Amino acid sequence: KNEVEQSPQNLTAQEGEFITINCSYSVGISALHWLQQHPGGGIVSLFMLSSGKKKHGRLIATINIQEKHSSLHITASHPRDSAVYICAVREEGGATNKLIFGTGTLLAVQP
Amino acid sequence: NAGVMQNPRHLVRRRGQEARLRCSPMKGHSHVYWYRQLPEEGLKFMVYLQKENIIDESGMPKERFSAEFPKEGPSILRIQQVVRGDSAAYFCASSPQRIDEQYFGPGTRLTVT
Repeated sequence: KNEVEQSPQNLTAQEGEFITINCSYSVGISALHWLQQHPGGGIVSLFMLSSGKKKHGRLIATINIQEKHSSLHITASHPRDSAVYICAVREEGGATNKLIFGTGTLLAVQP
Repeated sequence: NAGVMQNPRHLVRRRGQEARLRCSPMKGHSHVYWYRQLPEEGLKFMVYLQKENIIDESGMPKERFSAEFPKEGPSILRIQQVVRGDSAAYFCASSPQRIDEQYFGPGTRLTVT
C-alpha cells in the first residue's frame, strides 16, 4: 500500500465545475504539498501546508491532520486547469526534507 | 530571480554511455533534491544534498548513480553505463532551508536507446 493515496486517478469535468481532488496519507507528516504538472512539462508548487486551509486565486487546499487527509479544490474550473495534480508529504521527524509522492490525479477540463 | 535551472532539457544516450544532468538551484538556495519520474509512474526521491555534502541518498540506486553539489557550480546527477530502464524524467528541486518549500526545475528527460 502506498504511503500517499490520491483519488480519483482520473477526472473529467466541464468548464465552470467545482472540482475536488483528495489525498490520504498513512505516515506522520510535518507538511503536505500540492503540485501541478502539465503534460511533458515541469512541476509547479501550488501549496505547502501543515494545518488548516490556504487559498490562492481559484485554488483552495485544506488539510485535516487528525484524519490524515487533504483536499485540493478548484472553483470555476477552466480548460487551462487541465494537468496532473500531485500530493506529496514530508515525514515528520525526518532528518531530510525528502517528499513522498502520490501517483497523481489527471484532470481534464472540457470547454 | 531566476528559477531552478536544469540542463539539458532532453538528453539521448545509447546503452553503456554516461549521462550527466545539471541543476542550478535558485539564488540563495543551498539545499538540492533530485527526483525521478519513470514513465507512467509517480515521482520518487533519489538524493538530498547541501553544499559539498550528501545528506540523504536513500533513494539512489546502489550502482551506477552518483550525485554531487560542489561549493561552486551546479549540482550534478551522474549515471554511468546507462540502461533502457534509466529512461525517465529527472527533476531537481531546491530550497533555502531544510524545511522550506521546494521549488522545482523543468526537468531533464533522458532517453536511452
